[in-house]
Amino acid sequence: AQKITQTQPGMFVQEKEAVTLDCTYDTSDPSYGLFWYKQPSSGEMIFLIYQGSYDQQNATEGRYSLNFQKARKSANLVISASQLGDSAMYFCAMREGVKNYGQNFVFGPGTRLSVLP
Amino acid sequence: EAGVVQSPRYKIIEKKQPVAFWCNPISGHNTLYWYRQNLGQGPELLIRYENEEAVDDSQLPKDRFSAERLKGVDSTLKIQPAELGDSAVYLCASSPPLATGGNEQFFGPGTRLTVL
Repeated sequence: AQKITQTQPGMFVQEKEAVTLDCTYDTSDPSYGLFWYKQPSSGEMIFLIYQGSYDQQNATEGRYSLNFQKARKSANLVISASQLGDSAMYFCAMREGVKNYGQNFVFGPGTRLSVLP
Repeated sequence: EAGVVQSPRYKIIEKKQPVAFWCNPISGHNTLYWYRQNLGQGPELLIRYENEEAVDDSQLPKDRFSAERLKGVDSTLKIQPAELGDSAVYLCASSPPLATGGNEQFFGPGTRLTVL
């Protein structure tokens, strides 16, 4: 069974508009972490934002925010004021058992975001 | 501070040939990961090391893949013999001990392998 689901293979957004990339996850572990990474066409994986399962507030990092709905097991990424440089693949990932040393990361299949001028 | 270093960046080989990839993690990062990323997909874990110990190699095709991290620092991933389906990007990542407050993993630039 997929642990991370990203239902949007591709998304388009107009420059300066906001966009939401969906991510749902599956775990029975009460302690976990959720991550979003950006992968431009150059190939490097760039960390964007992190949300811990016990965090009370939704994480924010500049133009990125994470809409964390624990009961629904969703961790959607919101990018505000899209820029042309935001065009890339975006991966949602989960790390289970963050209170235990060094658990594995599981990645979703990704969403390709294209920002239109 | 230097990031995760991988070499080579690109490799083209013929099937049945051996190939090796090298990774040097960020200093102080005791956890090291090797991932394979097929075109248009997310990274898939091949092996995870805690220091020199391989703590999860359940996804590593052990008939042809091997890895080592002898001194708990840099690591080598080998494929012998390579098959056409091994064409992918091989990513190395490292993460600091959770006790230091680190949550994320840091990725290297990857090695793009093409098997002809």
